[in-house]
Amino acid sequence: DQQVKQNSPSLSVQEGRISILNCDYTNSMFDYFLWYKKYPAEGPTFLISISSIKDKNEDGRFTVFLNKSAKHLSLHIVPSQPGDSAVYFCAASGTSGTYKYIFGTGTRLKVLA
Amino acid sequence: EPEVTQTPSHQVTQMGQEVILRCVPISNHLYFYWYRQILGQKVEFLVSFYNNEISEKSEIFDDQFSVERPDGSNFTLKIRSTKLEDSAMYFCASSDRGRWETQYFGPGTRLLVL
Repeated sequence: DQQVKQNSPSLSVQEGRISILNCDYTNSMFDYFLWYKKYPAEGPTFLISISSIKDKNEDGRFTVFLNKSAKHLSLHIVPSQPGDSAVYFCAASGTSGTYKYIFGTGTRLKVLA
Repeated sequence: EPEVTQTPSHQVTQMGQEVILRCVPISNHLYFYWYRQILGQKVEFLVSFYNNEISEKSEIFDDQFSVERPDGSNFTLKIRSTKLEDSAMYFCASSDRGRWETQYFGPGTRLLVL
């Protein structure tokens, strides 16, 4: 099931700079997208979401952009902090009245001090 | 801040044994989910539960699996006869509504089947 893809398994960024994490999806029926952050041996922690009627949503240092025509979303973290180091998952839902999330494979972000 | 809790945090069992994983969802939430993550793989959906019945299940959720909300607070996942390939982190999640609603995840139960 490759409906949601995160093509970069890892990303390293200097503290204070921008982190950009990318996610692509194939199912045009998805209408709700989320980013979760996950530390080892913990559950996913919700960061930010966006519905398909928007193309941008901001919450503090986190901004999610949605490009429906390209079936692409991205998470921007500005400025990046060492505490942001974790695995980031994008998730999508909304196909055929189902509420389940389809997750990407994750991107491991390392913010260097 | 309300949170989803799960017990136990770790469970080791022998192949063929039954296990019950427990979850306490956020108190005013109405939709409940189980997901799992096999080591090194993506988080994958198992089952959703609403109004005391399964609303959707994945192909992974075969007859060995069952879910129950035995009282007003707990939500359980039972695996009747565990297999080696059931070893994974199991996450419970809950949401207030179904569509366009954020699911909040518990810390997970690490299940190891020997």
